[in-house]
Amino acid sequence: DSGVTQTPKHLITATGQRVTLRCSPRSGDLSVYWYQQSLDQGLQFLIQYYNGEERAKGNILERFSAQQFPDLHSELNLSSLELGDSALYFCASSVGGGVLTDTQYFGPGTRLTVL
Amino acid sequence: GQQLNQSPQSMFIQEGEDVSMNCTSSSIFNTWLWYKQDPGEGPVLLIALYKAGELTSNGRLTAQFGITRKDSFLNISASIPSDVGIYFCAGPLNNQGGKLIFGQGTELSVKP
Repeated sequence: DSGVTQTPKHLITATGQRVTLRCSPRSGDLSVYWYQQSLDQGLQFLIQYYNGEERAKGNILERFSAQQFPDLHSELNLSSLELGDSALYFCASSVGGGVLTDTQYFGPGTRLTVL
Repeated sequence: GQQLNQSPQSMFIQEGEDVSMNCTSSSIFNTWLWYKQDPGEGPVLLIALYKAGELTSNGRLTAQFGITRKDSFLNISASIPSDVGIYFCAGPLNNQGGKLIFGQGTELSVKP
């Protein structure tokens, strides 16, 4: 158990819909990272928040957005869902803002299926 | 852009055998990380390497940071059934902390 929690574990929805994925980082960790894992693209970095502020951005679609709240939990919002958005979404957390020696601890993931 | 190429893509071995896998890149990395992902779980960090030439062990696992900084190797000795899973190499995108880029993974199957 990494100490990072993600809810829900599974989500099934229809194209065009909007969903929210939730992540609670390990106690004491200030950074939250979101990753998408799909069969064709592999594991891809989406976005990082550090202490409530956006710190780094990857290839995150404009239909996706995230935020980190004062209690440090984070939500990833996916809207106008398409079939290709079906994937595993992982949240990771680390103590610092992302220095090279910062270990990222991954949650168990949310499996999103878009029908 | 930056890419990490892992090989082999999959391996089927007998329990007790040693395993080697590697990761290469066309660009230099300042950090190499090796993660393992079990089915239905998130990746777990196995070994982190921060210096060219560094050799680091974690139990039966040994990883090396290549001298050219463009490759890394992971060896598992005396494999056991719980070694089954997908092994990923990773490094910081553009060598900036936080954003990780992952290889495609090596899927390991161990026959008892």
